[in-house]
Amino acid sequence: EDQVTQSPEALRLQEGESSSLNCSYTVSGLRGLFWYRQDPGKGPEFLFTLYSAGEEKEKERLKATLTKKESFLHITAPKPEDSATYLCAVQARNYGQNFVFGPGTRLSVLP
Amino acid sequence: DAGVIQSPRHEVTEMGQEVTLRCKPISGHNSLFWYRQTMMRGLELLIYFNNNVPIDDSGMPEDRFSAKMPNASFSTLKIQPSEPRDSAVYFCASSIPGLAGVHNSYNEQFFGPGTRLTVL
Repeated sequence: EDQVTQSPEALRLQEGESSSLNCSYTVSGLRGLFWYRQDPGKGPEFLFTLYSAGEEKEKERLKATLTKKESFLHITAPKPEDSATYLCAVQARNYGQNFVFGPGTRLSVLP
Repeated sequence: DAGVIQSPRHEVTEMGQEVTLRCKPISGHNSLFWYRQTMMRGLELLIYFNNNVPIDDSGMPEDRFSAKMPNASFSTLKIQPSEPRDSAVYFCASSIPGLAGVHNSYNEQFFGPGTRLTVL
């Protein structure tokens, strides 16, 4: 069965303190791995898509990387406005367009 | 583009009542998804459509749930009768499906703001 786990469940950082969020997946035939950001009371906002091991994508203070079993979302010198829940989702070749979402990591960046 | 539009944003109803949630996908997107989000179960796919045709409804929890997409710009999710355990945030998302078998084919889903449903 396809599974997606994320760690840690919650993370508190001081402003400027860099860290990484983990997304581990078990899926037969990865078609794509997607990172989203979700603010309270809002829908998930698309950040990145990764397709193959070794791929990296960057956007401002965020950088996403992918291996054959996991993905990392690196946050460099975070700011309070980076506080949100970060979700990853995988799409498998055998499941059409279905996304399987992980439970998310709640990030709090303190000033 | 206005993005995915959902209505209503909040719905409070009593057990046994019919609830209809509405979604307008992004223009030009021909795939539409309905999700449910709860603290206990996270974000779960309920059903998705390609070109207005339901492709996978295996996530629909019970026969009380039904979804339709009469045209490319409108979809509904109906719960009849509603129960307290249906209380959740319901999201609609849309995408341009990637080409089957094509590497790096884009499949990103774009989400609406959600409808917060409370069933008393």
